[in-house]
Amino acid sequence: GAVVSQHPSWVICKSGTSVKIECRSLDFQATTMFWYRQFPKQSLMLMATSNEGSKATYEQGVEKDKFLINHASLTLSTLTVTSAHPEDSSFYICSAKKANTEAFFGQGTRLTVV
Amino acid sequence: GENVEQHPSTLSVQEGDSAVIKCTYSDSASNYFPWYKQELGKRPQLIIDIRSNVGEKKDQRIAVTLNKTAKHFSLHITETQPEDSAVYFCAASSKAGTALIFGKGTTLSVSS
Repeated sequence: GAVVSQHPSWVICKSGTSVKIECRSLDFQATTMFWYRQFPKQSLMLMATSNEGSKATYEQGVEKDKFLINHASLTLSTLTVTSAHPEDSSFYICSAKKANTEAFFGQGTRLTVV
Repeated sequence: GENVEQHPSTLSVQEGDSAVIKCTYSDSASNYFPWYKQELGKRPQLIIDIRSNVGEKKDQRIAVTLNKTAKHFSLHITETQPEDSAVYFCAASSKAGTALIFGKGTTLSVSS
């Protein structure tokens, strides 16, 4: 299967600072990547769809100015959590799909805001 | 948009028994239905998937059935083992390039 790598695996940051999470498709080109957030003991909630070369599409209730998504190349999408607060602490997971196939997930990033 | 409901939220079985998890979806345009197994703190792992042109698919102890008319699909695990204990998620997507929408998950516990 294809490989999607996410970095960092975990990060602790101070309240009010920004954190950038990278998602890379290592062996295929992904025109579309997806960002999910998963709170403890809950499901994966879609935050946004990231399209290479264009603006991301955000799900209802997700603040686009707080969760900045950039998809600068066919193998890299980044999610920046701006002015992070403790309630943003969560498990963030990206996924990428090859054309009409299964989705491949990154290993996730555990964000803790203190 | 798509909405996926999953039941039960928890399921406890004895080793060797079968386990069944059921999901329903709302968007009749959905045509791809994967099942994921997730262990604590790790990424979801695809265990089986089915497309809307197929009614049933089996892979060793795992099978998935799909009823397009009723818009529901189910995961069947036979001869359960303790290592099957995890959280299982169903998901659905409507077309290539669109995101998977997940059910709320089922915590399966297999006791020996």
